Amino acid sequence: DTAVSQTPKYLVTQMGNDKSIKCEQNLGHDTMYWYKQDSKKFLKIMFSYNNKELIINETVPNRFSPKSPDKAHLNLHINSLELGDSAVYFCASTSQGAKTGELFFGEGSRLTVL
Amino acid sequence: AQSVAQPEDQVNVAEGNPLTVKCTYSVSGNPYLFWYVQYPNRGLQFLLKYITGDNLVKGSYGFEAEFNKSQTSFHLKKPSALVSDSALYFCAGSLYNFNKFYFGSGTKLNVKP
Repeated sequence: DTAVSQTPKYLVTQMGNDKSIKCEQNLGHDTMYWYKQDSKKFLKIMFSYNNKELIINETVPNRFSPKSPDKAHLNLHINSLELGDSAVYFCASTSQGAKTGELFFGEGSRLTVL
Repeated sequence: AQSVAQPEDQVNVAEGNPLTVKCTYSVSGNPYLFWYVQYPNRGLQFLLKYITGDNLVKGSYGFEAEFNKSQTSFHLKKPSALVSDSALYFCAGSLYNFNKFYFGSGTKLNVKP
């Protein structure tokens, strides 16, 4: 069973379109994150949620809207896509309650904006 | 501001030789430090962590790391490198609440036969 799964794995779209990426974890974790990895492999935190509540919003444009319907899911919707949004988006999760700090990552969703 | 730095973009070692991938941190209080590995087109995988206790921590695949508070470093080491260790390695730090993890810029490890 995949611990953290993201869909879709690949996404190619035109500028100006709206797209969503979904993430689900079956680890029972209480905290989930979205990270963006650019072409130089830098990893940048975008959002973090704890028990469905937003706790970190790292100055991300408001075209990006995360939603956490429950503790196991964290989705990312992007409006009016721009060329600079092209990147690999990683979902991750951990258990703040267990205090282990170990992050579990999904396989990533590669977004290409043309 | 909290941050983690990896001063080397790339490290080249010959198979069988020891390897070191460097990491320094600037995290207030008692830092929680981690190493992750990323293979091509994959997500990051946890290798090891320092929370408290022994300064030398051992992790997966024979890797270890030494927490050095005076030098604010957390270098990743392995006594004998394998070609299969070739990958991108990330150091990360966090405060106690794990609200946010600060990742270094990554170091590409090349192990040549």
